[in-house]
Amino acid sequence: AQTVTQSQPEMSVQEAETVTLSCTYDTSESDYYLFWYKQPPSRQMILVIRQEAYKQQNATENRFSVNFQKAAKSFSLKISDSQLGDAAMYFCAYRSARGSQGNLIFGKGTKLSVKP
Amino acid sequence: EPEVTQTPSHQVTQMGQEVILRCVPISNHLYFYWYRQILGQKVEFLVSFYNNEISEKSEIFDDQFSVERPDGSNFTLKIRSTKLEDSAMYFCASPSQLYRTDTQYFGPGTRLTVL
Repeated sequence: AQTVTQSQPEMSVQEAETVTLSCTYDTSESDYYLFWYKQPPSRQMILVIRQEAYKQQNATENRFSVNFQKAAKSFSLKISDSQLGDAAMYFCAYRSARGSQGNLIFGKGTKLSVKP
Repeated sequence: EPEVTQTPSHQVTQMGQEVILRCVPISNHLYFYWYRQILGQKVEFLVSFYNNEISEKSEIFDDQFSVERPDGSNFTLKIRSTKLEDSAMYFCASPSQLYRTDTQYFGPGTRLTVL
């Protein structure tokens, strides 16, 4: 079974600085998707970024980028120019590409605080 | 971001009562998922639903849970006899594109409190 591990329960960053959140996963599959979701205090789950395992190029979305290391099974999220609104729980998630109905497997999350 | 809607936003019920949580996925999509998040814990998969049938379910999704599609656009999650440990946020999720199912977008969630 696949597992997702986020080893940093909490992280803190100064406004305008850069922070990296770590995620590792375990799978025997070669084709899959990886995601980062943001959960603000409202508890809504908001998609931040996604990565297809077959793509070597790291995904980027504005201030958010990932460092995808397939061999190491690592998928970290980098937030540049951190803003107060980035404060939230961040969840890393895995989805198998086998079939079309795969559910998401989540890590336990990292709580990010942004200091003004 | 595509919109998934859920009602109610907050439901309070007494232990042993039945609750029905509702969701409207992204328009016309046949795939649909329910997840649960107990306060302070990670999000856990409950069940996936495709074309009016359950396609996968987790061990959490026992006989007290059921999912239905009562009409063309609405989906429901029913908990027959609620327990204290059912208190959680319940999310539905849906892919955004009819023929591309890899990315799931979440509704705002229903916060269920069992007293």
